[in-house]
Amino acid sequence: EVQLVQSGAEVKKPGESLKISCKVSGYSFTSYWIGWVRQMPGKGLEWMGIIYPGDSDTRYSPSFQGQVTISADKSITTAYLQWSSLKASDSAMYYCARQSVGIVIVPAGILGGMDVWGQGTTVTVSS
Amino acid sequence: EIVMTQSPAILSVSPGERATLSCRASQSVSSNLAWYQQKPGQAPRLLIYGASIRATGIPARFSGSGSGTEFTLTISSLQSEDFALFYCQQYNNWPTFGQGTKLEIK
Repeated sequence: EVQLVQSGAEVKKPGESLKISCKVSGYSFTSYWIGWVRQMPGKGLEWMGIIYPGDSDTRYSPSFQGQVTISADKSITTAYLQWSSLKASDSAMYYCARQSVGIVIVPAGILGGMDVWGQGTTVTVSS
Repeated sequence: EIVMTQSPAILSVSPGERATLSCRASQSVSSNLAWYQQKPGQAPRLLIYGASIRATGIPARFSGSGSGTEFTLTISSLQSEDFALFYCQQYNNWPTFGQGTKLEIK
């Protein structure tokens, strides 16, 4: 069974760092792109960026470039999303998802539909 | 940035009836469009990709159509479990989502 299992909820203070994880199982981790999506409380979905664990090729949405870092560790089939200095506005639900269907090569990168999702990680940043 | 606009914001339909949700792109996205369903407290679920291809395990009552800038998601005969939020997403360039359509029971 293909599964993406995310790390648990986090409560942090502004200025702190954070790294959340997305543990993959049930398929070849290095063969599919994994993306991250933000959902702020009561709001819609925002695509943040993607990584290809096979070679760590990473692409960021212009809106999130420089704000977060996406990485992956092939040895433990886990993708990560991290912040070096959190802000209150980073409070949101974060989802990881496998991008594997309808794949096209476009100027922004290799993109497609996200067919398997993690359960989400809630990040709360408050003083 | 390609702006995706969904309409209506809220759609009230009775079980057993047809629901039609619309999504418009601010510029052509070809057929690089997906639809997702999200229920409260759950992650989104992929319904349609490539504008009209049903994802694995998605019932045939869900269908997608359109290309370029105008897209439609149709649910032919609504079941109780279909009522949820629906998002379209373009992936022709930096992916962006629409603001969502809430499908509620009439």
